[in-house]
Amino acid sequence: KNEVEQSPQNLTAQEGEFITINCSYSVGISALHWLQQHPGGGIVSLFMLSSGKKKHGRLIATINIQEKHSSLHITASHPRDSAVYICAVSGGSEKLVFGKGTKLTVNP
Amino acid sequence: DGGITQSPKYLFRKEGQNVTLSCEQNLNHDAMYWYRQDPGQGLRLIYYSQIVNDFQKGDIAEGYSVSREKKESFPLTVTSAQKNPTAFYLCASSVRTGGSNQPQHFGDGTRLSIL
Repeated sequence: KNEVEQSPQNLTAQEGEFITINCSYSVGISALHWLQQHPGGGIVSLFMLSSGKKKHGRLIATINIQEKHSSLHITASHPRDSAVYICAVSGGSEKLVFGKGTKLTVNP
Repeated sequence: DGGITQSPKYLFRKEGQNVTLSCEQNLNHDAMYWYRQDPGQGLRLIYYSQIVNDFQKGDIAEGYSVSREKKESFPLTVTSAQKNPTAFYLCASSVRTGGSNQPQHFGDGTRLSIL
């Protein structure tokens, strides 16, 4: 079974800082997902990637298949980015294996 | 707008009582999922369904039951056999995977507590 580890567990930043959240997994996958959970609990899918890099606004996700590692970067962070960021992996089926999440707090 | 609606947002259960959590989607998705989230843990899969009238157990199905009579609806019943039901429950849906990878769309969740 795949193990998904995220680091750090908690992250506090000042507005404008560059943020990096890391995700490592133990077994080969077909896709990796980055999700954002708002304080109220709802979850939004940010990225699904299987190779390379994807960018959406101030968010960038990268994946290194050989090293079994992905990073989520946030440029010019803002207090509204405060949320829990969750990494999840899939092996080509409908089942996802989730990390425990990284709680990000961006202070003004 | 298309999306997933979970209700109620907060739910309280008495000991020995069954409760049903509602999940409705208007995204025309074939696949639907129920997850449980506990503090400090990742989401865990309870049940999933890839098509109407069919569903499979996930990793923590004991004490739960589901039905899939309509494409749009996937209710979850937390039975009295579930000894530790206090948790945050999330419903999700996706285009049927068929072995490929598809993003999942999530609802806003239901928080269940024991009285």
